[in-house]
Amino acid sequence: EIVLTQSPGTLSLSPGERAALSCRASQSVRNNYLAWYQQKPGQSPRLLMYGASNRATGIPDRFSGSGSGTDFTLTISRLEPEDFAVYYCQQYGSSLTFGGGTKVEIK
Amino acid sequence: QLQLQESGPGLVKASETLSLTCTVSGGSISSSIYYWGWIRQSPGKGLEWIGSIFHSGTTYYNPSLKSRVTISVDTSKNQFSLNLTSVTAADTAMYYCARPYNSGWYPFEFWGQGALVTVSS
Repeated sequence: EIVLTQSPGTLSLSPGERAALSCRASQSVRNNYLAWYQQKPGQSPRLLMYGASNRATGIPDRFSGSGSGTDFTLTISRLEPEDFAVYYCQQYGSSLTFGGGTKVEIK
Repeated sequence: QLQLQESGPGLVKASETLSLTCTVSGGSISSSIYYWGWIRQSPGKGLEWIGSIFHSGTTYYNPSLKSRVTISVDTSKNQFSLNLTSVTAADTAMYYCARPYNSGWYPFEFWGQGALVTVSS
């Protein structure tokens, strides 16, 4: 099973700042099949990115994904008030596993 | 617009079987070639994939839950279901059903609102 480790656990930033979230896999993710989700309190997860760097439908371009192999990053170029949430990575190259999440909170 | 809705008992006794159903509207399970999935989230914790099912009945399960999980599909009702046997307090969670954004093994774009299941002793 591929284990995904997300860091940091919590990121404290101000609106307008840039956020960089890390997701590291215990082994190489086949075809870079790595996705990112956003989850707000009381809501279901929302798909942001797939294939490491492809934005899902309706996702604003301030969200970008990068990386390959075992190291992936989700970047939010300038945080909007609605971006403060928990973010999860997920690999779907070998079965399916989620990372533990990174909380982006208002500083 | 595709919609998914979980339903089932909100309280299950320890050692018994948790059963949930996901009703799909706005699209047909039988006419599409997607893997329909179940995911859970323990209170204050992260997401855990439980398993997925193809409309033909082919299933894939999380190895850590495989011995206790059965996912089935009822195309006549446009539903798929989850059974989790021998539950314990550790199975208390929000249970979501979901569908990928594209046919094949892809991330989940469409999610139900979730069903909270509490396991009582």
